[in-house]
Amino acid sequence: GEDVEQSLFLSVREGDSSVINCTYTDSSSTYLYWYKQEPGAGLQLLTYIFSNMDMKQDQRLTVLLNKKDKHLSLRIADTQTGDSAIYFCAENYSGGGADGLTFGKGTHLIIQP
Amino acid sequence: DAGVTQSPTHLIKTRGQQVTLRCSPKSGHDTVSWYQQALGQGPQFIFQYYEEEERQRGNFPDRFSGHQFPNYSSELNVNALLLGDSALYLCASSLGGGVGETQYFGPGTRLLVL
Repeated sequence: GEDVEQSLFLSVREGDSSVINCTYTDSSSTYLYWYKQEPGAGLQLLTYIFSNMDMKQDQRLTVLLNKKDKHLSLRIADTQTGDSAIYFCAENYSGGGADGLTFGKGTHLIIQP
Repeated sequence: DAGVTQSPTHLIKTRGQQVTLRCSPKSGHDTVSWYQQALGQGPQFIFQYYEEEERQRGNFPDRFSGHQFPNYSSELNVNALLLGDSALYLCASSLGGGVGETQYFGPGTRLLVL
């Protein structure tokens, strides 16, 4: 079955780059997503990448996809205190033609001053 | 442009009761998906509604049911509540319900079952 794995915590200094990693198992995934969740809030879509792409850049965010190894990463340049949140990797649920997402457990990004 | 809205924001129920949660999709969207997020976990897909029908379902028992109305809003019903149903219930909307359509999430309804 589908499974998405992420490390639970990442601590970085303010101003440094953060790299959050994710591995997935469903080779039929078409799109892979990164969502951000702040305390007490819903999920905010950050970015997504189509499975035939290797990289996507959007301002401070860079997504790298290694489809062979089923590895996805999110790099946040110049990390700020406002980036402190839980980051979820998600892939398509391949059980049918619709688009239910399978999420990892999330990576808590902790910013040190 | 209104985003995804959910009601109520918080709810407390006791075991065995039934609950109904509501979701209004983002303007222009016609597809609603529901997710359950237990404390410390990632969201888990419950089901998706498109054209007033359940299109796809995750690994949840029949106690979880839903409905979509002609205006695309949706309800999630949970019968015979268990303590383990305590979670944040998230609604997401998208357009067309096809693979790859970006899902936008609401703020969620936090359900506590005592």
